[in-house]
Amino acid sequence: GENVEQHPSTLSVQEGDSAVIKCTYSDSASNYFPWYKQELGKRPQLIIDIRSNVGEKKDQRIAVTLNKTAKHFSLHITETQPEDSAVYFCAATPYSSASKIIFGSGTRLSIRP
Amino acid sequence: DTEVTQTPKHLVMGMTNKKSLKCEQHMGHRAMYWYKQKAKKPPELMFVYSYEKLSINESVPSRFSPECPNSSLLNLHLHALQPEDSALYLCASSRQEMGEKLFFGSGTQLSVL
Repeated sequence: GENVEQHPSTLSVQEGDSAVIKCTYSDSASNYFPWYKQELGKRPQLIIDIRSNVGEKKDQRIAVTLNKTAKHFSLHITETQPEDSAVYFCAATPYSSASKIIFGSGTRLSIRP
Repeated sequence: DTEVTQTPKHLVMGMTNKKSLKCEQHMGHRAMYWYKQKAKKPPELMFVYSYEKLSINESVPSRFSPECPNSSLLNLHLHALQPEDSALYLCASSRQEMGEKLFFGSGTQLSVL
């Protein structure tokens, strides 16, 4: 079945710098790749997603890139702010089990003032 | 209304108790999910309902019993739980049971004594 690996597990960046989180997936048939942000004590919330027919997507300070050949995708946050501190989960949806979103293990992002 | 509402927010129960978790959404979503989340881990899928029918049971022990009374409501009945079942239980919904954005509720923090 699908396996999603996420790195790093923790990331600390200076406020205003960029942060990059990387994920790899195993099922070449996966076609939907969302990213969820979970602040401490709160619900996971989708921040950006990308489908396999697109290589890059941006939304203000957040961007996601997808390399289908290498089976990896990345989250880029620019001009980081204190409110970006949270746990970020990448995920992949295998086409064969479209309702079973497989999550990565998570990255705890801390923004240093 | 773009929210998934879960009750109760916190629940403490003994191993012989019977309790129920409730979830409600009014977004017209036809897929609803139960996830279990342990501290510092990603959500783990338990059940998926599609058009009010159970479509996925991820080999969850029978002490967890889901119910979908109608397209807006999802319940999780709990009986004879074990201390290791203590976790955050998240309900989610999506437009359909496919690779779609998940809307999560704020969860029920369950402690089994």
